Amino acid sequence: QKEVEQNSGPLSVPEGAIASLNCTYSDRGSQSFFWYRQYSGKSPELIMFIYSNGDKEDGRFTAQLNKASQYVSLLIRDSQPSDSATYLCAPYSGYSTLTFGKGTMLLVSP
Amino acid sequence: NAGVTQTPKFRILKIGQSMTLQCTQDMNHNYMYWYRQDPGMGLKLIYYSVGAGITDKGEVPNGYNVSRSTTEDFPLRLELAAPSQTSVYFCAGGLAGAAYNEQFFGPGTRLTVL
Repeated sequence: QKEVEQNSGPLSVPEGAIASLNCTYSDRGSQSFFWYRQYSGKSPELIMFIYSNGDKEDGRFTAQLNKASQYVSLLIRDSQPSDSATYLCAPYSGYSTLTFGKGTMLLVSP
Repeated sequence: NAGVTQTPKFRILKIGQSMTLQCTQDMNHNYMYWYRQDPGMGLKLIYYSVGAGITDKGEVPNGYNVSRSTTEDFPLRLELAAPSQTSVYFCAGGLAGAAYNEQFFGPGTRLTVL
């Protein structure tokens, strides 16, 4: 059974702050990691993926991966109220399917 | 391109009824998926398909069936609906390889079984 653990939150941060979202996974065969954002009542959308240890930056988003510790995180700099959503972590082991965590709800207050 | 479309958007079923949730994609993706999402929970994979004529079970397949006769369509069939099947159902189409799996989700179908 592949386990993906995320703090359900809500994680509350003020506008302009850095939001840090964490994810741990059990499957050591996981090769790449996907972060999806899901607004309330909407479908998930891909915002970041990472497959190498270290950091990957895309605009205000930075994904961090440590395969030895089985840990992946998503940092959102200069958080905006429009970033308020649930963020789903999904490791991929190369067998056609993703395993999604339960997600962390982020609330950014103006 | 419409992407991934799902019908209906909402449906209320009585216990024991059957229905088909429709999913169509126009992105020519070989991979398609059906998920259910219960409140406060992540996405649970029901069934998936890696191409026309090929389907496989996911984590929670009981009570559901699928077919994939064309690349575009991937309907999900509920037989003998039960209250435990009350959920939001998402269909996704995707690109997958050895180290990459990007999925594009439809808008979802909210199903209530009473």
